[in-house]
Amino acid sequence: GENVEQHPSTLSVQEGDSAVIKCTYSDSASNYFPWYKQELGKRPQLIIDIRSNVGEKKDQRIAVTLNKTAKHFSLHITETQPEDSAVYFCAAGNTDKLIFGTGTRLQVFP
Amino acid sequence: GAGVSQSPSNKVTEKGKDVELRCDPISGHTALYWYRQRLGQGLEFLIYFQGNSAPDKSGLPSDRFSAERTGESVSTLTIQRTQQEDSAVYLCASSLLAGGPTGELFFGEGSRLTVL
Repeated sequence: GENVEQHPSTLSVQEGDSAVIKCTYSDSASNYFPWYKQELGKRPQLIIDIRSNVGEKKDQRIAVTLNKTAKHFSLHITETQPEDSAVYFCAAGNTDKLIFGTGTRLQVFP
Repeated sequence: GAGVSQSPSNKVTEKGKDVELRCDPISGHTALYWYRQRLGQGLEFLIYFQGNSAPDKSGLPSDRFSAERTGESVSTLTIQRTQQEDSAVYLCASSLLAGGPTGELFFGEGSRLTVL
C-alpha cells in the first residue's frame, strides 16, 4: 500500500521568510496530492492540491510542486505570516483512499 | 447538514469497555473515511467506504476495531474492549469522490476518546 513520508517534522521561520515542506510517496499509481492545514484544536482543511498531470500549482502565497519520476512533492509558502502557524499534512492517493504524512508543525515568529 | 457531524465530541471510558462513535457525512458524499490522530501525531488511516463497494479495512489496527456504513449515510466506528492506547481523536471525513474531480475531504470536529 501507499506510504507517505514528510519532512521536516517541525519548522520555525521568521515572518516574511519562505517555508518549504517535502513529502515522498511510494505508490506510483497515486495521482492526487493534497495539502491540509490543521490549526490548533481544529479540523484539517484543504489548502491546495495537485494532480499528476500537472507539475506545479500556485495559489497566492502557496505553491505545490510535483515530481512524479522521483515520487516527491513539496509545499512552498512565501512571505510567511503568523497566521500560517499550524500543522501541515501532505497526502497521496488516487480514486481510492488518501494516506497522510506525519505532519509538519510550522511556527512563524513575528 | 452543512458539514460532517461527529458524536460524541468527547468520550471517557474505562479500559475494557466498548465504545461506539458516529459520523454523519455531508449529504451526497459517496466516500467516507475514518482516521485516528493521537496527541501531537499525524492522521492514521483506519477505514474507507466508497459507495456500495466493499470497504477498505486495511488500516484497522486490530480485530477490536470495526466500522459500518449504511449506503451513503451514517457510519459508526466501534472499538471493543478498549485499551489505553486507543486514546486519541477519531476523525471522520467525507468526499464527493475520493481523488476524483472534487477530491477534497471535509473533516468533522472529531471524537476525543480517553480510555482510563
